[in-house]
Amino acid sequence: DVKVTQSSRYLVKRTGEKVFLECVQDMDHENMFWYRQDPGLGLRLIYFSYDVKMKEKGDIPEGYSVSREKKERFSLILESASTNQTSMYLCASRGPMNTEAFFGQGTRLTVV
Amino acid sequence: AQSVTQLDSQVPVFEEAPVELRCNYSSSVSVYLFWYVQYPNQGLQLLLKYLSGSTLVESINGFEAEFNKSQTSFHLRKPSVHISDTAEYFCAVSAFSGYSTLTFGKGTMLLVSP
Repeated sequence: DVKVTQSSRYLVKRTGEKVFLECVQDMDHENMFWYRQDPGLGLRLIYFSYDVKMKEKGDIPEGYSVSREKKERFSLILESASTNQTSMYLCASRGPMNTEAFFGQGTRLTVV
Repeated sequence: AQSVTQLDSQVPVFEEAPVELRCNYSSSVSVYLFWYVQYPNQGLQLLLKYLSGSTLVESINGFEAEFNKSQTSFHLRKPSVHISDTAEYFCAVSAFSGYSTLTFGKGTMLLVSP
């Protein structure tokens, strides 16, 4: 069965902290994504990766960075967390041929 | 680039009534289309997809969607909803070829009441 696992369901961090959100997939997919979900705004793409060590900016990359050292793992980094980064973060992976993406359970991050 | 418009942010409906959730997209290239569902505090699950072939696609739990190329729409329908269908529904689009991300609409909250 297909699986995308995000390391935490809920996180509370302080303003200015460096935050790591981890995502692992077991489907050998080349493509991985980080989205942010906010009420009324839907899902907005932060970063995506087509292969190991490759990354591309999405629609809202400011304040974030990513790392993909291994094919199965894609990390989202908040260099200095701010309260406006309080949100639900969703990781997804996708195989070739642009078919459907598979999502993790999400990480609800609160920055205080 | 692609964009998706979901025309209703919230759709209230009574149990056993029919429902339609509307989705329109914009793209300069051929696309694949998807509907995802999100239950409270969970990730997104694929509900159904249109890749090619028949323009009417169905899910295992009674939802269906029809791809209409001329109207650039992919509306989701169910003839009789259940309380358990209460969730948020997202329409998404992806280009047919090349490196392409999934672009989502803002979502429609389906509220089913007894």
